[in-house]
Amino acid sequence: DTAVSQTPKYLVTQMGNDKSIKCEQNLGHDTMYWYKQDSKKFLKIMFSYNNKELIINETVPNRFSPKSPDKAHLNLHINSLELGDSAVYFCASSQAAYTGELFFGEGSRLTVL
Amino acid sequence: AQSVTQLDSQVPVFEEAPVELRCNYSSSVSVYLFWYVQYPNQGLQLLLKYLSGSTLVKGINGFEAEFNKSQTSFHLRKPSVHISDTAEYFCAAYRGIQGAQKLVFGQGTRLTINP
Repeated sequence: DTAVSQTPKYLVTQMGNDKSIKCEQNLGHDTMYWYKQDSKKFLKIMFSYNNKELIINETVPNRFSPKSPDKAHLNLHINSLELGDSAVYFCASSQAAYTGELFFGEGSRLTVL
Repeated sequence: AQSVTQLDSQVPVFEEAPVELRCNYSSSVSVYLFWYVQYPNQGLQLLLKYLSGSTLVKGINGFEAEFNKSQTSFHLRKPSVHISDTAEYFCAAYRGIQGAQKLVFGQGTRLTINP
């Protein structure tokens, strides 16, 4: 049983396209996150939702739109993809909002050509 | 703003040798500190955490770390490494309600174990 699962694992697409990454957690956690890991392995938080409410929204282009239909799911939609969006996107969850103990998915590698 | 600095981008060691991965954080207030490990093509996994109490914390896979407030450091150590410890290691700091409520990661240290 995968605790935090993301789909798809790999995405290859052309510039200008729109794509979505889905995330689901079966841990019963209240909080979910999206992190971006660049080619140098640097990890940066993008968004965080607590019980379906947005609580962290970093300086991210508004082409990125998260959506949390329920507290077990957090999807990421990206419009008008650019070369610089190529990265590995990690979904994570935690039991509560104010904790650093995160459970990560395996990542979704997005390549924009 | 909280920042975390990992002083070595790469650390090569021989199998069964001891290793120390260095991490410094910039803050004069109390913080919560973590080490995460990322094996190739996988997500991050929590190794250990310091929230309060004893400054020496033990984690999984034989790793331990020591919180040193005066030196603002949280170095990770293992007395004898195995090939399977080859991975990327991330130090992270979380600021509580007094500051930004998020987990901030260091740049990562690639640990390579040579036979």
